[in-house]
Amino acid sequence: DAKTTQPTSMDCAEGRAANLPCNHSTISGNEYVYWYRQIHSQGPQYIIHGLKNNETNEMASLIITEDRKSSTLILPHATLRDTAVYYCIVRVTTSGTYKYIFGTGTRLKVLA
Amino acid sequence: EPEVTQTPSHQVTQMGQEVILRCVPISNHLYFYWYRQILGQKVEFLVSFYNNEISEKSEIFDDQFSVERPDGSNFTLKIRSTKLEDSAMYFCASSSRGLGANVLTFGAGSRLTVL
Repeated sequence: DAKTTQPTSMDCAEGRAANLPCNHSTISGNEYVYWYRQIHSQGPQYIIHGLKNNETNEMASLIITEDRKSSTLILPHATLRDTAVYYCIVRVTTSGTYKYIFGTGTRLKVLA
Repeated sequence: EPEVTQTPSHQVTQMGQEVILRCVPISNHLYFYWYRQILGQKVEFLVSFYNNEISEKSEIFDDQFSVERPDGSNFTLKIRSTKLEDSAMYFCASSSRGLGANVLTFGAGSRLTVL
């Protein structure tokens, strides 16, 4: 099972910041949080990842709480092309192997 | 930017036929994955592969499925005898490392339709 929980859907006005929350209360100390998005049925697209510190790249910012139990993905100026399903993923480790389990994600709709 | 390439983009097959989906991972990547997504459902993990063997597989990955890295560049998923419920998008992914930050790069997917 996925180790994250996210709201099912969110709307955001075009040009405004989209803030997508994620809970990962069982995350272990050395596990990263990864964010991907999927537009229609295309392959999941990597957005950003982080461990403890806040991160920013050309696509988004990632804010991780101090206790690391939750994080927020921020799209600073959402456009219509940002309409997608956004997945927050924490790697699952079993018997020394790793896998990435997708939850149901947050369906973000950017409104004109 | 390096890409994961998948072929075919769409395959239509009859139930009971064998299907091979092909993937060319990013050249310096060592870890390989297959995921699938049934229409309208979430992306599901199938199998991970490292050092020429399966690292982990899900309960979906039964005896009808197999993976292979036949020539050091391709990574294939074979479904021996397709069923209607195998109709889905199949995504290949690769990454360069297992420990620490391990960003998966996904391909565009192969759509399999079983009639």
